[in-house]
Amino acid sequence: GAVVSQHPSRVICKSGTSVKIECRSLDFQATTMFWYRQFPKQSLMLMATSNEGSKATYEQGVEKDKFLINHASLTLSTLTVTSAHPEDSSFYICSALPGNLAGGTDTQYFGPGTRLTVL
Amino acid sequence: AQSVTQLDSHVSVSEGTPVLLRCNYSSSYSPSLFWYVQHPNKGLQLLLKYTSAATLVKGINGFEAEFKKSETSFHLTKPSAHMSDAAEYFCVVSAWTNAGKSTFGDGTTLTVKP
Repeated sequence: GAVVSQHPSRVICKSGTSVKIECRSLDFQATTMFWYRQFPKQSLMLMATSNEGSKATYEQGVEKDKFLINHASLTLSTLTVTSAHPEDSSFYICSALPGNLAGGTDTQYFGPGTRLTVL
Repeated sequence: AQSVTQLDSHVSVSEGTPVLLRCNYSSSYSPSLFWYVQHPNKGLQLLLKYTSAATLVKGINGFEAEFKKSETSFHLTKPSAHMSDAAEYFCVVSAWTNAGKSTFGDGTTLTVKP
């Protein structure tokens, strides 16, 4: 149980285009999902917290207009990188928290990641 | 506030010898502590977690960790390393009272020599 999928696993796009990445919790509901960015040989950097039915909360320094997050249902969150540029190339990983946070678990389950390359 | 320090960026062991990956933490909350493993170009897999129950936590693949509050440590150990254990390991502190946010250590690269 507690499986999280991401799609696509790898994407290559031209500079200036937009890319959408999906994160799905396959066998549980998640009111909260997180989006991370990971540079080579580095740790994960939290970009934003995605809450079902409300606006995402972005970490300091993350452009909310560039990284659009939508959490449309209890099992799906999407990250759209708008007008992508080569510096946006990175490994993007999502995670999901099962259940309702109020008194619930704080164990995150991670997706397999999406490798974005912007040419 | 919460933070995590992984004391070794690289650890190299021979196959069949013990593994020790060190982690210290600080937290203003009642934290949960986790160890995750990441193989190249893959997501993170949960190895084990501490959530205020037993201080010695057993995880998958023979790994275990001991929570020591007095030392604010949560070191990961395995009695005998296997070649397949070579990967990146992250120590993570989290608290649902902190909106479920996790703070990651910088990671420790484990190399296993034949």
